[in-house]
Amino acid sequence: SQQGEEDPQALSIQEGENATMNCSYKTSINNLQWYRQNSGRGLVHLILIRSNEREKHSGRLRVTLDTSKKSSSLLITASRAADTASYFCATGPGSGNTGKLIFGQGTTLQVKP
Amino acid sequence: DVKVTQSSRYLVKRTGEKVFLECVQDMDHENMFWYRQDPGLGLRLIYFSYDVKMKEKGDIPEGYSVSREKKERFSLILESASTNQTSMYLCASTRVPGGQRETQYFGPGTRLLVL
Repeated sequence: SQQGEEDPQALSIQEGENATMNCSYKTSINNLQWYRQNSGRGLVHLILIRSNEREKHSGRLRVTLDTSKKSSSLLITASRAADTASYFCATGPGSGNTGKLIFGQGTTLQVKP
Repeated sequence: DVKVTQSSRYLVKRTGEKVFLECVQDMDHENMFWYRQDPGLGLRLIYFSYDVKMKEKGDIPEGYSVSREKKERFSLILESASTNQTSMYLCASTRVPGGQRETQYFGPGTRLLVL
């Protein structure tokens, strides 16, 4: 079952602008991860934030997590045409340790040069 | 770097055929996963395996089976392919220590068309 819902489903911006994507989930989590998928390819891990963290940075990426609202956001600053891809959030459940993740439906980002 | 490979990038099969999708990882990961990805539905877990010869059903196991005879290889089997199994199939792996705290490493995907 899909518990992550991403918003917006699609986003189109100009190169140099910032892109913000949001993810909401329903159950308790151990961590939340963001992945990127270029067209027709596999997913690539971008960043992981644990349930006891509120913000994390990696290069031009900034992720926030609000467990009280069961939501996360991914901010890509100074976007580039190469950032054009689909972005997925994935949650690791609060119980169990199987490595299973639950993926959202994704946000498609288009960055125009 | 972890490498996850899938046997085919594109595959065309006929209804009723038995289809094998192979996935191999080279980092000695314990856990391996098979997903299918469809527009508007995101990634859905078909099966996963946490050890050799061990498997568990995911969210949509109907019409599929899996095999894990060796740690590095996880096969997805479509017993009798149907047109509604036309999809993108993604394999992933992760190591156990930390389990769900670990990231998943994905293969490039196999785009399957069932005619």
